[in-house]
Amino acid sequence: RKEVEQDPGPFNVPEGATVAFNCTYSNSASQSFFWYRQDCRKEPKLLMSVYSSGNEDGRFTAQLNRASQYISLLIRDSKLSDSATYLCVVNPDSNYQLIWGAGTKLIIKP
Amino acid sequence: EPEVTQTPSHQVTQMGQEVILRCVPISNHLYFYWYRQILGQKVEFLVSFYNNEISEKSEIFDDQFSVERPDGSNFTLKIRSTKLEDSAMYFCASYDLNTEAFFGQGTRLTVV
Repeated sequence: RKEVEQDPGPFNVPEGATVAFNCTYSNSASQSFFWYRQDCRKEPKLLMSVYSSGNEDGRFTAQLNRASQYISLLIRDSKLSDSATYLCVVNPDSNYQLIWGAGTKLIIKP
Repeated sequence: EPEVTQTPSHQVTQMGQEVILRCVPISNHLYFYWYRQILGQKVEFLVSFYNNEISEKSEIFDDQFSVERPDGSNFTLKIRSTKLEDSAMYFCASYDLNTEAFFGQGTRLTVV
C-alpha cells in the first residue's frame, strides 16, 4: 500500500531554534520527493524539492535517504513566520499521482 | 509568476445538488489534477487528466464525479449529487515535465 507517514506534531519551538522533521515512505521505487508548506485554510505551496544529494535553500535543508526510505527537513534559526503545517509529498511514479503525508504542524513561539 | 486560478473560492450547496468547480491551469501545462482536503485531514488525490482524458483516478472519484476540459483552458470538476461528506477544500493543480505542481487557492465546498 502506498503510504507516506509523518509525525503530526505539533512541534512547539522557540524562535531562533533549529527544528527537524522526518517523513517515511513505503514505496521503494518512488521517484521524486517534495516538502510543501500549508498555512491554515490555504493551498499547499512548494517549499523545496528533495534530491538524492540533499539540497539547501537558505535556512532550509532537505535530505533523502533512499536506503531507509525517509526524507528530512531541517529549519535553522526558525522565525515566527515559519509556523505552518509541513507536508511531505512523494511522487511514486511518472504519472505524478502525488501521495501526501498528513503533515507536521510547527508552531514557533517568541 | 504564473498561477492556477480557481472559482468560486467558496460554494455552499444543498445535499443532492450538482456543483461545478472551475480551474484555469497554467497555460502551457499538460497535466491537471484535482485533490481534496477535508478539514483537519490530509490532502487526497482525486483524479489526473492528460491529453484530454483521465489518466488515473482514486477510489474517492466515483460515478458522482466527472472532469472536463471543455474549451482548452478551463478544467472543471463536477459533483452530480452532493453528499454531506463531500464538504472539503478542493484544489486544482497543474504541471508540466520538469516543473513542480502548482496549486490553485482552492474552492471550499460546504454541503448542507
